[in-house]
Amino acid sequence: GAVVSQHPSRVICKSGTSVKIECRSLDFQATTMFWYRQFPKQSLMLMATSNEGSKATYEQGVEKDKFLINHASLTLSTLTVTSAHPEDSSFYICSARTGGGSEETQYFGPGTRLLVL
Amino acid sequence: AQSVTQPDIHITVSEGASLELRCNYSYGATPYLFWYVQSPGQGLQLLLKYFSGDTLVQGIKGFEAEFKRSQSSFNLRKPSVHWSDAAEYFCAVVTAFGSKLTFGTGTRLQVTL
Repeated sequence: GAVVSQHPSRVICKSGTSVKIECRSLDFQATTMFWYRQFPKQSLMLMATSNEGSKATYEQGVEKDKFLINHASLTLSTLTVTSAHPEDSSFYICSARTGGGSEETQYFGPGTRLLVL
Repeated sequence: AQSVTQPDIHITVSEGASLELRCNYSYGATPYLFWYVQSPGQGLQLLLKYFSGDTLVQGIKGFEAEFKRSQSSFNLRKPSVHWSDAAEYFCAVVTAFGSKLTFGTGTRLQVTL
C-alpha cells in the first residue's frame, strides 16, 4: 500500500515557540492532504484540508493563523503550530488521498506527538 | 450531515475467538465505507473499504466487513482473533468521491490470552 511519513515523530518545545511538522507521501503524488488532531482515547478531528498549490481549507473553530499549512508540492505538506501553548499538546496525524473514483483512498502517516511545556 | 456510530467503546475477546465490531451510519444514500485500525501511538492503517458491488468485503489481516443497506451497517468481522489485533478500530465514511472522511468514535479491542 501507499506510504505516508511524518517528521518528527515526537517533539517537545517551550511555550511560545513554533513547531513545524512535515507530511510526505513517499510513493505516490497527493493533490490533497489532510491534517487531523487526536486527543487521548478519542477519535480524529479534522483540522484542515490541504490542496497542492492553493490555500488550505480549515474546519470551523480551527485558527488558521495558529496552524499554518503549506502544500508546496504533490508529495509534501507542512503544518506549523505557531506560538505553541500547552493546550496545543496533542497527537497530530496527516493523511494523503490518492486515486480517483472507486480507487480513492486516504493513507495516514504515523503521527507526531507534540508536547508543549 | 452524515454521521457514523460505533456503539461499542470497548470490547474484550479471548484469543482465538471470533470478533464483530459494529458500525452504523446515517446518510440518505449509500456512502463509501472504510475500516481503519490504529495501534497505540501510531497512525491509521486501512483494513478494507466498500464502494459498491459485493457487499462482503475482504481486507488485510484476515478481516472482512459486510455492508447491509437495510440496517445502515458495515460491521467488521474476524473469525479468529490474534493477540496482535489489540488496537483501536475506526469506521469511517465519505458521502461522495472527493469529500472528507467522517470517523466514528472508535472501538478499543482488548485481546486476552
